[in-house]
Amino acid sequence: QQPVQSPQAVILREGEDAVINCSSSKALYSVHWYRQKHGEAPVFLMILLKGGEQKGHEKISASFNEKKQQSSLYLTASQLSYSGTYFCGTPSNTGNQFYFGTGTSLTVIP
Amino acid sequence: SQTIHQWPATLVQPVGSPLSLECTVEGTSNPNLYWYRQAAGRGLQLLFYSVGIGQISSEVPQNLSASRPQDRQFILSSKKLLLSDSGFYLCAWSEGPNTGELFFGEGSRLTVL
Repeated sequence: QQPVQSPQAVILREGEDAVINCSSSKALYSVHWYRQKHGEAPVFLMILLKGGEQKGHEKISASFNEKKQQSSLYLTASQLSYSGTYFCGTPSNTGNQFYFGTGTSLTVIP
Repeated sequence: SQTIHQWPATLVQPVGSPLSLECTVEGTSNPNLYWYRQAAGRGLQLLFYSVGIGQISSEVPQNLSASRPQDRQFILSSKKLLLSDSGFYLCAWSEGPNTGELFFGEGSRLTVL
């Protein structure tokens, strides 16, 4: 049930861009994106609903293609503060369970 | 505003000892509640979820159990801890099915020796 993310890890220099992908073998009803700093709880970034939605949050945006059961997170002009582990997440078809993806570790260096 | 509290923040327990982690939510009613575990350097594994008082669903059939004695209280327990129970435990709540983000507690770091 767990969505699969790629890449597993990425290292960027400040100002570079990155794309994190999330795909599921099951239907996606909505997709959430979270960022977790080391030793802390995950923090919500955005939620995408059906309809090919795209959303933006500062220089971080995302897209959702429910037909392909995929979502992508786009980070542009990365900053040091973007470092962390990014998780996509999705509810079950009943909406009661919530499953996180495998995670992508992002490191931004000066 | 809604808040979530989780405790204890850190604990070190010997193998075979019991465990109790507690989580309370304020400022909302009838939330969906979740317990996740994160092993070192790994992802977030859903352990239990609850849609109401006394309603617990288990995702992982191990030596852990959960209870929801009150609407906004969620407890994770074990009678006998295993080494493999070590990890970062996170409680979270949401307003309900497909209704929005998960809000997390501060987390409890458990080391079983």
